[in-house]
Amino acid sequence: EAQVTQNPRYLITVTGKKLTVTCSQNMNHEYMSWYRQDPGLGLRQIYYSMNVEVTDKGDVPEGYKVSRKEKRNFPLILESPSPNQTSLYFCASRGHNSPLHFGNGTRLTVT
Amino acid sequence: RKEVEQDPGPFNVPEGATVAFNCTYSNSASQSFFWYRQDCRKEPKLLMSVYSSGNEDGRFTAQLNRASQYISLLIRDSKLSDSATYLCVVSLGGYSTLTFGKGTMLLVSP
Repeated sequence: EAQVTQNPRYLITVTGKKLTVTCSQNMNHEYMSWYRQDPGLGLRQIYYSMNVEVTDKGDVPEGYKVSRKEKRNFPLILESPSPNQTSLYFCASRGHNSPLHFGNGTRLTVT
Repeated sequence: RKEVEQDPGPFNVPEGATVAFNCTYSNSASQSFFWYRQDCRKEPKLLMSVYSSGNEDGRFTAQLNRASQYISLLIRDSKLSDSATYLCVVSLGGYSTLTFGKGTMLLVSP
């Protein structure tokens, strides 16, 4: 089944403790992206990647890192999480000129 | 002007009603258009792509008006299960960034 898989689904952590949210897709898509969604603000892009070893900042990259060492994986790294990064996070991928396929989300709480 | 604008709603309609949403976009060079549906706290899912000539999928009809720079979604014979937030998505095409509207909430009641 074609899908985007992200883990974990829920994560509660404390300020400053480094964490990684994994994302993997099995559709051989070049393009992958991370979004955060907050009430009243909609979906905002954090980082995206057009291909292996190619990553670019989205609209809200501060406090986040990504890497794209393999085509299928695009992890999101929070080196020093802060409470303002509490949010619902979505990973997504797509092929050329095609719509986005989303993972089922990671709900992160930073205390 | 915001890049992609939607009326946030909520639109409250009874079962069986017909409801329409519009979405305006600011970049006239936009090439790709989509409607996504998002249920509460879940991932957005593609509802339908929007083609220049308009397209229909069962009870759903999508239209594009390039001159006025808006797309629309019409839902006929609303079902309770149609209750969700509908997101408008616009792109310049290819691998260009997709820009999301903030969504329109639809509530269908018995």
